[in-house]
Amino acid sequence: AQKITQTQPGMFVQEKEAVTLDCTYDTSDQSYGLFWYKQPSSGEMIFLIYQGSYDEQNATEGRYSLNFQKARKSANLVISASQLGDSAMYFCAMRAGMNTGFQKLVFGTGTRLLVSP
Amino acid sequence: EAGVTQFPSHSVIEKGQTVTLRCDPISGHDNLYWYRRVMGKEIKFLLHFVKESKQDESGMPNNRFLAERTGGTYSTLKVQPAELEDSGVYFCASSPGRLGTLSSSYEQYFGPGTRLTVT
Repeated sequence: AQKITQTQPGMFVQEKEAVTLDCTYDTSDQSYGLFWYKQPSSGEMIFLIYQGSYDEQNATEGRYSLNFQKARKSANLVISASQLGDSAMYFCAMRAGMNTGFQKLVFGTGTRLLVSP
Repeated sequence: EAGVTQFPSHSVIEKGQTVTLRCDPISGHDNLYWYRRVMGKEIKFLLHFVKESKQDESGMPNNRFLAERTGGTYSTLKVQPAELEDSGVYFCASSPGRLGTLSSSYEQYFGPGTRLTVT
């Protein structure tokens, strides 16, 4: 069974600073994908970044990067130059079995990030 | 292009009543998923449709929950009769990914969710 663990219920960061949100995962599958979603107070889930298990390079999308350490089974999200609009709930998720019927996402409990001026 | 839409945005019902949630996926997306987040807990998978067929319904909590996707377009999730523990936010997501393709991310596009409160 797959499991995602986010150990930080809340994080605080000052505007313009970088912040790392932790995510560890557990799976016996060789092929899987890791996702980060952002959920602002309005409620919608916004896709941020994706990392495939066979990708050799860490994924980057603008100010978001994913620090993927396969041996440690961690997929931490790094947000550089935090902005006030980054204040939100952040969810790490995993999808196992890239070419099978198992397309469901398994989520962690989330980390609430608060960016202060 | 319109995103995933869900209706209603918020529903308050009494225990024992019936509620039907609706999800309209992105046009052309064969895959449709339902998830639920109970207060303070992780978002949990409920079920997955491929077109009108249920691909995986392993996350459905019990037989009080019934999901349909007639014609492979919109989907409904009915809770009958509702219980207090059914309260939470119900998310719908869709994706275009097809098995065996080289789609790299299989990103699922989420709707804004329906907040269900059972009193």
